[in-house]
Amino acid sequence: QKEVEQNSGPLSVPEGAIASLNCTYSDRGSQSFFWYRQYSGKSPELIMFIYSNGDKEDGRFTAQLNKASQYVSLLIRDSQPSDSATYLCAVYTGFQKLVFGTGTRLLVSP
Amino acid sequence: GAGVSQSPSNKVTEKGKDVELRCDPISGHTALYWYRQRLGQGLEFLIYFQGNSAPDKSGLPSDRFSAERTGESVSTLTIQRTQQEDSAVYLCASSLSANYGYTFGSGTRLTVV
Repeated sequence: QKEVEQNSGPLSVPEGAIASLNCTYSDRGSQSFFWYRQYSGKSPELIMFIYSNGDKEDGRFTAQLNKASQYVSLLIRDSQPSDSATYLCAVYTGFQKLVFGTGTRLLVSP
Repeated sequence: GAGVSQSPSNKVTEKGKDVELRCDPISGHTALYWYRQRLGQGLEFLIYFQGNSAPDKSGLPSDRFSAERTGESVSTLTIQRTQQEDSAVYLCASSLSANYGYTFGSGTRLTVV
């Protein structure tokens, strides 16, 4: 079974710190990787995607992919209380469907 | 349209009644997905459409659930004889190709009383 694993949290960080969210996946054939942010009571919003090994930066967000170790991470620099949300990792393994993790809840305290 | 549109945004229904949930995907997106999210839980895949056909219905939880898509656009998810355990947010997403990720609609919150 193709799985995507995330720690459910909550991950608590103080305002201004770096939040590090991690995700592992089981299918070595996975092709593309996504991070969605979901605020309480809202729908998931795509914030980052990464296809190649290494780092991809977009503003305060950095996605990191290591295919050999089968993990993908999301770093949020200078965390703000408005970053408090659940972050869903999703992986495309083929068959035209993403496999989602259950999400990590992030709490950023002022 | 500019985004994925779902209606109604909220639906309260009595146990045993049928409900229809509607999704209008982003124009040109050939792939359309339905997910269910119970309170505090992860996303539960229900069904995937490519064009008007549904190659993957593996997530439909029972024969009370059905979905169709017409004109490679609007999709309707129908739940017959609703039960209290059907209470959840039903999310629709669309995509040009899953390899590029999905765009989600704002969801329909279904409450069965």
